[in-house]
Amino acid sequence: EVQLVESGGGLVKPGGSLRLSCAASGFTFSSYSMNWVRQAPGKGLEWVSSISSSSSYIYYADSVKGRFTISRDNAKNSLYLQMNSLRAEDTAVYYCARPTGKASSPFDLWGRGTLVTVSS
Amino acid sequence: EIVMTQSPATLSVSPGERATLSCRASQSVSSNLAWYQQKPGQAPRLLIYGASTRATGIPARFSGSGSGTEFTLTISSLQSEDFAVYYCQQYNNWPITFGQGTRLEIK
Repeated sequence: EVQLVESGGGLVKPGGSLRLSCAASGFTFSSYSMNWVRQAPGKGLEWVSSISSSSSYIYYADSVKGRFTISRDNAKNSLYLQMNSLRAEDTAVYYCARPTGKASSPFDLWGRGTLVTVSS
Repeated sequence: EIVMTQSPATLSVSPGERATLSCRASQSVSSNLAWYQQKPGQAPRLLIYGASTRATGIPARFSGSGSGTEFTLTISSLQSEDFAVYYCQQYNNWPITFGQGTRLEIK
């Protein structure tokens, strides 16, 4: 089955760190760029970061630049998001998402998401 | 950053009727525009890409149109399962940006 499964979310204090993972299966992970998208409670979708298939190209939203790091391990079919210096406004469901083709293309496969709560 | 503005914020329509949702970009995104449907507690689902191409498995009652800065998603005859939140997304420029969403509710 073609799927993405996120993990690693939880409750963390402001200023803390968390590492999210996304396990891919059912498709050739190494052929696709990958993305993280988040959704604050009751709010809309916000693209967070993108990484190309070979990790050559990486992009971040301004809101997370310098604090979050995206990475991948193609041998393990896994995508990661290292989140440091977390703020209350980072509280959200974090989805990993696969684009249909090149890096800048729509997302046709999404995970179920993992909830990150930043609170003291 | 390209700002995507959706209207209306909430749309009330009766089952069987047509719904028309709008999305405007702050600058041209060519046809690099997608629409997503999201139901409570679920991940978004891709409906339309390239402004007018239906994604795999999407019913023909969903159609998209437009180019440049003005786009429309039309649902020709609303079914009960279509009541959800709809987002537009531009992928023409980095950063990728989404509209704030239109909630489609039962009238």
